[in-house]
Amino acid sequence: KAGVTQTPRYLIKTRGQQVTLSCSPISGHRSVSWYQQTPGQGLQFLFEYFSETQRNKGNFPGRFSGRQFSNSRSEMNVSTLELGDSALYLCASSYIHTPPNTGELFFGEGSRLTVL
Amino acid sequence: KNQVEQSPQSLIILEGKNCTLQCNYTVSPFSNLRWYKQDTGRGPVSLTIMTFSENTKSNGRYTATLDADTKQSSLHITASQLSDSASYICVVSGNTGNQFYFGTGTSLTVIP
Repeated sequence: KAGVTQTPRYLIKTRGQQVTLSCSPISGHRSVSWYQQTPGQGLQFLFEYFSETQRNKGNFPGRFSGRQFSNSRSEMNVSTLELGDSALYLCASSYIHTPPNTGELFFGEGSRLTVL
Repeated sequence: KNQVEQSPQSLIILEGKNCTLQCNYTVSPFSNLRWYKQDTGRGPVSLTIMTFSENTKSNGRYTATLDADTKQSSLHITASQLSDSASYICVVSGNTGNQFYFGTGTSLTVIP
């Protein structure tokens, strides 16, 4: 069974540009969540999608957005990039969405974004 | 405020030795606690998940404990191997909403 696939794995952008990252969940998983990981802050929750609907959102500015398609694949977009957006962006998929959050999270390998 | 704190921040041990990593949390109401292993440049991989009623769970040489009363968890690694070198992340979730609260991780280095 294929795991969570994230593309691209690495990318370099300059300040002010925008970027789109893609995540293909494990087949049958309908919940996809996104996280930002930096050395100083650790993993921080960005947002979670279930059945094409954003169900929860972390404390990030509106420059960070996402969506989910009918096949459960998800994209996240960061507009007007800042130096501080440099990070590893991780996507996780889960089969069970309902509380109390007992679904196992399966992470992708991440997309490493560098903003110059 | 819901928080997860891990200690130590980093740890170096000799191959074959045991070690224990700590996780304290203030997440309430509590649903479950997970430990993940993250190799450098890779995504986190689940080691254990424990609910309120579970106080010990093992996965090979990894044993996690949970004290829901004191809101503390530990991850014990037995007979460490070089491949155990990684970051270990404690994740706590509540039973409302759909957010997970992450610790900043313990970086473990196993040396020969």
